[in-house]
Amino acid sequence: GENVEQHPSTLSVQEGDSAVIKCTYSDSASNYFPWYKQELGKRPQLIIDIRSNVGEKKDQRIAVTLNKTAKHFSLHITETQPEDSAVYFCAASVRSGGSNYKLTFGKGTLLTVNP
Amino acid sequence: NAGVTQTPKFQVLKTGQSMTLQCAQDMNHEYMSWYRQDPGMGLRLIHYSVGAGITDQGEVPNGYNVSRSTTEDFPLRLLSAAPSQTSVYFCASRPSGAYEQYFGPGTRLTVT
Repeated sequence: GENVEQHPSTLSVQEGDSAVIKCTYSDSASNYFPWYKQELGKRPQLIIDIRSNVGEKKDQRIAVTLNKTAKHFSLHITETQPEDSAVYFCAASVRSGGSNYKLTFGKGTLLTVNP
Repeated sequence: NAGVTQTPKFQVLKTGQSMTLQCAQDMNHEYMSWYRQDPGMGLRLIHYSVGAGITDQGEVPNGYNVSRSTTEDFPLRLLSAAPSQTSVYFCASRPSGAYEQYFGPGTRLTVT
């Protein structure tokens, strides 16, 4: 099955700096790569996603890049703010028949933005 | 719309007890799934359903049962609780053919 590795497990940055979280996946058939943000005690919430036919996607201060050849994708957060502090999860999906797919998650990165 | 709802929010069980975690969604989503979240382990898929009457196993199904009698509800049953099932459980749903999943607020389960 799919295996998703996420690094680093913890990341501490100063407010205003950039943060980068990287993930690798094993199944070359994976075609959808979402990123979730989870604040303490809350549910995961989708912040950005990318399909395998796209190399980069941006949404304000957040961007995701995908390298299908190397089977890795990254989350970039610029101009970090204290409210960006949370656990971030990457995931990769593999089709399991028809329009169904299964998400495999990385183990998460605890991002701390210091004021 | 209430979205995805889960009950209870918190539960403490003794080893060997059984219980059902409830999940409901009012968005008419065909696809529903259950995940467990353990520290440092991310979210792992337990069971999922692609529509009423159809369920399948995920990555960590042992010790759990599911059924899907209606589009709205997808309960997760713990047959005989074990301390290893102490975790936070999230239910999620999405429309068939769409990619984005919507998560419920979670149930924190402790088995002593």
